[in-house]
Amino acid sequence: DTGVSQDPRHKITKRGQNVTFRCDPISEHNRLYWYRQTLGQGPEFLTYFQNEAQLEKSRLLSDRFSAERPKGSFSTLEIQRTEQGDSAMYLCASSLSERTDTQYFGPGTRLTVL
Amino acid sequence: TQLLEQSPQFLSIQEGENLTVYCNSSSVFSSLQWYRQEPGEGPVLLVTVVTGGEVKKLKRLTFQFGDARKDSSLHITAAQPGDTGLYLCAGVADKIIFGKGTRLHILP
Repeated sequence: DTGVSQDPRHKITKRGQNVTFRCDPISEHNRLYWYRQTLGQGPEFLTYFQNEAQLEKSRLLSDRFSAERPKGSFSTLEIQRTEQGDSAMYLCASSLSERTDTQYFGPGTRLTVL
Repeated sequence: TQLLEQSPQFLSIQEGENLTVYCNSSSVFSSLQWYRQEPGEGPVLLVTVVTGGEVKKLKRLTFQFGDARKDSSLHITAAQPGDTGLYLCAGVADKIIFGKGTRLHILP
């Protein structure tokens, strides 16, 4: 296993378009997290899954954002009607549920909304 | 709200010099972590400190957790250009909360 992977690595879109990102966690990890990182900031928690269940969502996650992990493996993060303020690096991380302090991060998807 | 403040925000020094960066918290976390992030990549965990007063060493990097478990420092000895990156501290509670990071640039 080569670690957490994310696709695409970069996405440029026009304001108002919908975008979807994918995250493939480390195969035996049952927890999967999404973070957002803007320029000059550390990663900010968005949401996490335990297997296929979405257990927590940050208030940063407006109703334009939706995340799924249908089979408890890969996850998708969709942003509808993108705004310029959505421009950021979207990071995915995974962990074992008994070691939530040890999260492995993917390389991120950099979103630019024009 | 649990906040982590890191200082300095930016640091640019010559190769071979020593440096210390700091992380201060408004509250107690069960543990503190340090990550390094390179441009275009996700953060990579360097160390987790759990016990107040704990000191951990990773080659030329020395991490210290304050006695009250609300602050931490990272000391780099004889910095090298490969140490360049964003150093993030993070507090572990029911979730991981990151500081804004210290952007370190080592000049050859």
